[in-house]
Amino acid sequence: EIVLTQSPGTLSLSPGERATLSCRASQSISSNYLAWYQQKPGQPPRLLIYGASSRATGIPDRFSGSGSGTDFTLTISRLEPEDFAVYYCQQYGSSPQSFGGGTKVEIK
Amino acid sequence: EVQLVQSGAEVKKTGESLKISCKGSGYSFTAYWIAWVRQMPGKGLEWMGIIYPGDSDTKYSPSFQGQVTISADKSISTAYLQWSSLKASDTAMYYCVRPSFPYKWNDAFDYWGQGTLVTVSS
Repeated sequence: EIVLTQSPGTLSLSPGERATLSCRASQSISSNYLAWYQQKPGQPPRLLIYGASSRATGIPDRFSGSGSGTDFTLTISRLEPEDFAVYYCQQYGSSPQSFGGGTKVEIK
Repeated sequence: EVQLVQSGAEVKKTGESLKISCKGSGYSFTAYWIAWVRQMPGKGLEWMGIIYPGDSDTKYSPSFQGQVTISADKSISTAYLQWSSLKASDTAMYYCVRPSFPYKWNDAFDYWGQGTLVTVSS
C-alpha cells in the first residue's frame, strides 16, 4: 500500500504570492498516476491535476503540477482569493488507491 | 450532463444496518467504475473501494474490506455502500466518485457526488 505524505500541513500566504505544495510517496507511483484535488468547506473535492502535470478541464493555468517517481509538487503561481482551500494528492496507479493527508492554504 | 446524485443524510444508532446510494446519469453507467471515498469530520479523504457496474468486479481497501459492502444495480444505474452493523466511528461524509475515462479503475476522479452524511450514535 502506498502512503502519501503531504507537506506542509498548513501554508499561510497572501493573495498574489506563490504556493508550493509537496506530496511524497512511500514507493514509486506507476505511470505518474498522481492527481491533485482542491476542497473548500462544505463542498466535495474538485480535480485540478491528473497524470502529475495535466490540468483538468476548466482549471486555470496558474495551477501546475510536476514531479515523478516519489516526489510531486503542486504550484499555484499567484494566489487568488478563491484558492484558499485544502489540497489533497492522490495516487491511483495501484490498489488500494490512497490520498495524502492534505495541505491547508490559508490567508496570512 | 454527468451527475452522481447520492441519497440523503442518515442518522442511525450503533449496531444498525444501512445502505446508501449513488445514482449516475448523463453517461453510460456500465462503462465507468465508481468508487467510494470517506471523509471523517475535520479529516482527510480515504479511498474505500471501487466497483465496475458492468460485471460488479470490486476492489476494496484493506482498511475497509469486511467492514462495508460495495454493490451496484446496473438496471437502475445505481451504486451502493452498505454496513451490516454500524459503529460510532462510521460517522463521516461519504462520496461516490467516477473516474475520467471508461473501463479504467486506475484513473483520477473528475466527477463527485454531493456526499451523504452518516451520523452514528449510541
